[in-house]
Amino acid sequence: QVQLQESGPGLVKPSETLSLTCTVSGGSISDYYWSWIRQPPGKGLEWVAWIYYTGSTNYNPSLKSRVTISLDTSKKQISLKLTSVTAADTAVYYCASQGTYDYVLATWGQGTMVTVSS
Amino acid sequence: QSVLTQPPSASGTPGQRVTISCSGSSSNIGTNYVYWYQQLPGTAPKLLIYRNNQRPSGVPDRFSGSKSATSASLAISGLRSEDEADYYCGAWDDSLSGVVFGGGTKLTVL
Repeated sequence: QVQLQESGPGLVKPSETLSLTCTVSGGSISDYYWSWIRQPPGKGLEWVAWIYYTGSTNYNPSLKSRVTISLDTSKKQISLKLTSVTAADTAVYYCASQGTYDYVLATWGQGTMVTVSS
Repeated sequence: QSVLTQPPSASGTPGQRVTISCSGSSSNIGTNYVYWYQQLPGTAPKLLIYRNNQRPSGVPDRFSGSKSATSASLAISGLRSEDEADYYCGAWDDSLSGVVFGGGTKLTVL
């Protein structure tokens, strides 16, 4: 049973870079796509990016110029970096495992809240 | 502005049956599976329905999903107070090569 745990700074200043890590336990990195999804306070879900163990990635076009997703298979960690953050990037950030056949986001981490403020 | 369209709210009394709709397009719901997620206050979304109408183990059979063309529905029968939550539909989008979501429906049990 896959389990996911996100970690991050909690507070980031405007114009700086947000860095998050998701640690995977209980599963194989090669069995899934790995996605980041975010949810601003009181709002809906927004897919941010996914990565496969082969190195394939894809990004939400609205964030593509500022976001990078990476995978450390030895540590079983998925990382997300978002540059030039503004208050609009304030959100709970979730990582999730995604099926390679049906694309279902089956297992989610508990999420980590990131606030962008000076 | 979400890619998939859901009503912002729904309500029902205990024991009733409620349905939540989700509308998309040919690039997402029209050609791919639909999923439904339940999000209780302060918690992460939980998978409720996958592959249009399949329930993960542990999800009561009071929850059911269906899909027709570019629309989908989630039905909850025998409504209970613990069903009060936000519900999101999602689907893979071939144009985006990523997942798209509905804006969420807040279900109130009166």
